[in-house]
Amino acid sequence: EPEVTQTPSHQVTQMGQEVILRCVPISNHLYFYWYRQILGQKVEFLVSFYNNEISEKSEIFDDQFSVERPDGSNFTLKIRSTKLEDSAMYFCASSERFLVGVGANVLTFGAGSRLTVL
Amino acid sequence: DQQVKQNSPSLSVQEGRISILNCDYTNSMFDYFLWYKKYPAEGPTFLISISSIKDKNEDGRFTVFLNKSAKHLSLHIVPSQPGDSAVYFCAGGGADGLTFGKGTHLIIQP
Repeated sequence: EPEVTQTPSHQVTQMGQEVILRCVPISNHLYFYWYRQILGQKVEFLVSFYNNEISEKSEIFDDQFSVERPDGSNFTLKIRSTKLEDSAMYFCASSERFLVGVGANVLTFGAGSRLTVL
Repeated sequence: DQQVKQNSPSLSVQEGRISILNCDYTNSMFDYFLWYKKYPAEGPTFLISISSIKDKNEDGRFTVFLNKSAKHLSLHIVPSQPGDSAVYFCAGGGADGLTFGKGTHLIIQP
C-alpha cells in the first residue's frame, strides 16, 4: 500500500537553529500538507501546498516557516530559527484532491517527525 | 478556539463490548466529519467519514452518528477488539480543510 514517508523520525536541536523536515508524499497525490501536534494537544493544521505554491496556511505558519518541493518527490518544511514552543510532532500528509466532500479526498499521513527544541 | 472538542481524553472498554467515542463541534460550516485512528509511533489513519447531510454511516464494526442540531457526533465500535486500542481523532472538514479534536485514547481491556 502506498505510504507517506517522513525523515527524520526524531530531531533534537538547539533553540535558534534551522530545521528541515522531509516528506515523500504518495506519488500520484497532488496536494500536500503539514500538521503538527504539541504533546497533549490537538493536531493543528499548518499549511497546504498545491501546484508548487501554498494554497492555505494557518496563523501558526508565520515567517519562520517555509515549505518547498525541491524536486518531484520531496516536500519539506523548514523552520528558520526554532523556538522552544516549536517542539512537537510534525505530520506530513498528502491527498489526491483538495479536501472538499467526503470519501476519496482523505488525507494519508506519514508517521511523523518528532522535533525537540532545547 | 476549539471548534472540535473531544472531552474524554481516555476511555476504557472491555473486549467484546461497545466503544462509544464522542465529539462536539461549534462550526456549523463543516461539510463532513472524519474519524482517524492513531497507533503510537504512526501517523493518523483514516477510519470512517460522514457527510453533514447524513445522520449515520456504517462500515463493518464502525458506525458514525451525526446529530446536527446538537452539533455532536459519535463513533461506535462493536464489538471492541484489542487492536482497537489507539487514539481516535475526530475532525470536521470544509473549505478550509480539516480541524481536528485533541483525541481520545481508547483502551480495550481483556
